[in-house]
Amino acid sequence: GAVVSQHPSWVICKSGTSVKIECRSLDFQATTMFWYRQFPKQSLMLMATSNEGSKATYEQGVEKDKFLINHASLTLSTLTVTSAHPEDSSFYICSARSSGNRYEQYFGPGTRLTVT
Amino acid sequence: QKEVEQNSGPLSVPEGAIASLNCTYSDRGSQSFFWYRQYSGKSPELIMSIYSNGDKEDGRFTAQLNKASQYVSLLIRDSQPSDSATYLCAVKLSGGSNYKLTFGKGTLLTVNP
Repeated sequence: GAVVSQHPSWVICKSGTSVKIECRSLDFQATTMFWYRQFPKQSLMLMATSNEGSKATYEQGVEKDKFLINHASLTLSTLTVTSAHPEDSSFYICSARSSGNRYEQYFGPGTRLTVT
Repeated sequence: QKEVEQNSGPLSVPEGAIASLNCTYSDRGSQSFFWYRQYSGKSPELIMSIYSNGDKEDGRFTAQLNKASQYVSLLIRDSQPSDSATYLCAVKLSGGSNYKLTFGKGTLLTVNP
């Protein structure tokens, strides 16, 4: 149980274009989903927290107009990187938690984004 | 003081030995603690959660929690080369209305055959 998928697993895009990453909880309803970014050999950095049907809460320093997050259903959240730049190249990972007072997060396999 | 601290390592142990990974946290009101394993180039995987003082065992893994000392550890018995990974300690800090976890920077474990 507690399986989270992400699509695509890797993507290459040109500078200035937008890229959408999907995160799905496959066998549970995800009340809350999280988006992280991780640069090589660095720690996880939380970008934003999203609750189903609500606007995402972004961490300090994360541009909400650049990283658009939509959590339209209890099983799907999307992250759109708009006007991508080479410095946005990173490993983007989503995680999900189920309902109730449990705090365990289950991570998707991640999406490796390269902006050329 | 950082909220969740771990030794970055690398921690190197021989195959078959016990690996001991440590984590301290600053928020005395924290109640939920997690250990994640992250292989190089992969996403984190939840391996243990612990909520009460004492030990919790799951196979070769034992999590230990001491809230008075604000300390949580992970022991890996009979370490295998396949256990070589970065281990992340995560804590649900008290307060706030969201459900986010605060992660340590991780300890890199290398198990030598």
